[in-house]
Amino acid sequence: EIVLTQSPATLSLSPGERATLSCRASQSVSSYLAWYQQKPGQAPRLLIYDASNRATGIPARFSGSGSGTDFTLTISSLEPEDFAVYYCQQRSNFTFGPGTKVDIK
Amino acid sequence: EVQLVESGGGLVKPGGSLRLSCAASGFTFSSYSMNWVRQAPGKGLEWVSSISSSSSYIYYADSVKGRFTISRDNAKNSLYLQMNSLRAEDTAVYYCARDRMTTVTTNWFDPWGQGTLVTVSS
Repeated sequence: EIVLTQSPATLSLSPGERATLSCRASQSVSSYLAWYQQKPGQAPRLLIYDASNRATGIPARFSGSGSGTDFTLTISSLEPEDFAVYYCQQRSNFTFGPGTKVDIK
Repeated sequence: EVQLVESGGGLVKPGGSLRLSCAASGFTFSSYSMNWVRQAPGKGLEWVSSISSSSSYIYYADSVKGRFTISRDNAKNSLYLQMNSLRAEDTAVYYCARDRMTTVTTNWFDPWGQGTLVTVSS
């Protein structure tokens, strides 16, 4: 079973700063990795699929990169609405990572 | 507008049963694989089950295998999750989620419903 780990657990940043979130797989998932955003009290929303493709309606400040076992979600300049929890997911057995909370510094 | 609306959650005693429903609208339901994902209070996301567009392929997480049954009615644009032998650890918000694409199953979930809370407690 493929296990995903995310780091850091919490990222404290200010609006306008750049956020870099990491997701690592216990074995290669090729480019089959997605990122989701979840705000308090809301359902998750797909941001990135296949490691680097933005989902419909996702702003260009969100970008994904990586392949194999190491992946990165980058938010180029944090907007107030970006403070949320971010999960990565791999598709071979549908597992999610534990999440990274991006909160306001 | 694509919409997924879950219902059927509530309080149930350990060992009891519950049936969740997800009503879909705004897209051709019969063309998409569908999924259930849950989130225990204050915890992360856990995939529960998936069903292909024609119900030919069905998958379950080990944690629910043998207790939960996923099904769909394409004529009614509805997805279901029959949950039996419920345990305290099944307490969670249950989301239904559509696959991102119709032509091929991607196992990327987009969009999601708003969720329905299931509480298993005596």
